Amino acid sequence: QKEVEQNSGPLSVPEGAIASLNCTYSDRGSQSFFWYRQYSGKSPELIMSIYSNGDKEDGRFTAQLNKASQYVSLLIRDSQPSDSATYLCAVNGDNFNKFYFGSGTKLNVKP
Amino acid sequence: DAGVIQSPRHEVTEMGQEVTLRCKPISGHDYLFWYRQTMMRGLELLIYFNNNVPIDDSGMPEDRFSAKMPNASFSTLKIQPSEPRDSAVYFCASGRRPETQYFGPGTRLLVL
Repeated sequence: QKEVEQNSGPLSVPEGAIASLNCTYSDRGSQSFFWYRQYSGKSPELIMSIYSNGDKEDGRFTAQLNKASQYVSLLIRDSQPSDSATYLCAVNGDNFNKFYFGSGTKLNVKP
Repeated sequence: DAGVIQSPRHEVTEMGQEVTLRCKPISGHDYLFWYRQTMMRGLELLIYFNNNVPIDDSGMPEDRFSAKMPNASFSTLKIQPSEPRDSAVYFCASGRRPETQYFGPGTRLLVL
């Protein structure tokens, strides 16, 4: 069983602050890592993917990967109330086309 | 360009009844995935197809569940007979590659 662990939260941050979301995974063979955003009652939406160690930036979002420590994180700069959602971490398994999702971290950005 | 289409959006049924969920993937997408999401277990992959062929169904919980993809524009997930523990949101997702999956709006299933 592949394990993808996330703190369920809720994580509360004030508007304009940096939100930091973390995820750990158990399978050292994992190669692909993703962050999805899911608004309440809606479907997941892919926001970031990362495949190599280090940082990947896209607008206000930065994904960080450390394969040695088996964690991946998502930083959201200048957090906005519209960022309030559940963020799901996904990791591929030994079948590279198959992805395992964490239970998600609920983020609340307070105006 | 329409996204992934799922029907019905909501389904309420009684235990023992057959339930059929439908999915129309985005045109040109070779991969189709069926997921189930519950509070207790989160988002779980049930089965995925590549070019209409089932590749991995190891996530299908038991024989009561079956999935088909008769052509590139249509897939079904069937539960027969349904049980209360099948109550969940079922998502269909499609993509040109597994790394870029677009999720449909989901079907909320309640089995009484």
